[in-house]
Amino acid sequence: KNQVEQSPQSLIILEGKNCTLQCNYTVSPFSNLRWYKQDTGRGPVSLTIMTFSENTKSNGRYTATLDADTKQSSLHITASQLSDSASYICVVSARRNGGYNKLIFGAGTRLAVHP
Amino acid sequence: GAGVSQSPRYKVAKRGQDVALRCDPISGHVSLFWYQQALGQGPEFLTYFQNEAQLDKSGLPSDRFFAERPEGSVSTLKIQRTQQEDSAVYLCASSPLNVGTMSGELFFGEGSRLTVL
Repeated sequence: KNQVEQSPQSLIILEGKNCTLQCNYTVSPFSNLRWYKQDTGRGPVSLTIMTFSENTKSNGRYTATLDADTKQSSLHITASQLSDSASYICVVSARRNGGYNKLIFGAGTRLAVHP
Repeated sequence: GAGVSQSPRYKVAKRGQDVALRCDPISGHVSLFWYQQALGQGPEFLTYFQNEAQLDKSGLPSDRFFAERPEGSVSTLKIQRTQQEDSAVYLCASSPLNVGTMSGELFFGEGSRLTVL
């Protein structure tokens, strides 16, 4: 069964510190992997999209890595800010012949940045 | 519009009532998805449209759920005879890309929060 597992479930860090969120998946065949940020009461907003051939991609203070061999991804947040407090969702796309790529969502990691 | 617009943002329904949730995707976007998100969970797929064609409705939890996109733009998710377990946020997302590849961007609306009493 195609699954996406994220850890930790929740995380509290102090403003200015770095943190790393993990995503493991069993989706096959793999197409791409995305990280979304979802503020409370809002819709998810895309941070990065990575394909099979990419193993790192940055978006400002966010850096995503992908190891397609071990089926693991991480999202590293540098110099955290209070506004980084949100849920971070890992989404993996399963490639399907003759059809659209279905997206499988993880449950998310809830990050709280404290002053 | 500038983004995906959903209405209502909040809906309280009595058990057994029918509800209709509306999604206005970004103009010209071909693909439209509906997701259900329970508290503290990631979004769960409900259904997918390519233009007006509903190509995948495998995620709809029961025959009480019905979605349509008759003119290939605005979509409506209808839930008949609502139950308490239907309480969730319903997210709509659209993409400019056609079927076959989803490497492109997926834009989400703010969601409609449904509470069934």
